[in-house]
Amino acid sequence: DAGVIQSPRHEVTEMGQEVTLRCKPISGHNSLFWYRQTMMRGLELLIYFNNNVPIDDSGMPEDRFSAKMPNASFSTLKIQPSEPRDSAVYFCASSLTESGNTIYFGEGSWLTVV
Amino acid sequence: DQQVKQNSPSLSVQEGRISILNCDYTNSMFDYFLWYKKYPAEGPTFLISISSIKDKNEDGRFTVFLNKSAKHLSLHIVPSQPGDSAVYFCAASKAAGNKLTFGGGTRVLVKP
Repeated sequence: DAGVIQSPRHEVTEMGQEVTLRCKPISGHNSLFWYRQTMMRGLELLIYFNNNVPIDDSGMPEDRFSAKMPNASFSTLKIQPSEPRDSAVYFCASSLTESGNTIYFGEGSWLTVV
Repeated sequence: DQQVKQNSPSLSVQEGRISILNCDYTNSMFDYFLWYKKYPAEGPTFLISISSIKDKNEDGRFTVFLNKSAKHLSLHIVPSQPGDSAVYFCAASKAAGNKLTFGGGTRVLVKP
């Protein structure tokens, strides 16, 4: 079975550019999460969706960050404009709410903003 | 405000011995706890979980213990193997919804 699929795996971009990270959750899962991992803050939840609806975006750092889930099989996390402090690993994860609280992570998108 | 804390950033253990990882939480509303394992350049993978109605859950070499009164949980790995070398994250969630709050992680090195 395919797991959570993220793209790109690695991105290097210049400050001020727009960055779009993409995620395909596990088929049938109804919750989707975006996490960010940094040395300073560890794994922090940015936003999560349930049945394609944003439930909690309190972790989104600034208005420069936005996330969408137009359908059950696709989500994007956009940073515009990007800044060097946005450099981190961004993980997408998904779960089936009815089966408990275990969430399954993708392999991450490594973002470097120079 | 760190609601889930792993106070030991690293742990080194000899192959065959026991690894004990600790995790503390502050939010009494948490009632489901998980451990994830992460290798470099990969996403975290689910390892084992425990709900607040239990105080122990075992899966092969991995056992998680929960002490609700102390708001403390631990993960025991017995016996430790070199392939267990990774970063281990403790996570917690509340009954309503399944948003996970993670600890800062503990890097485990198992020496052959």
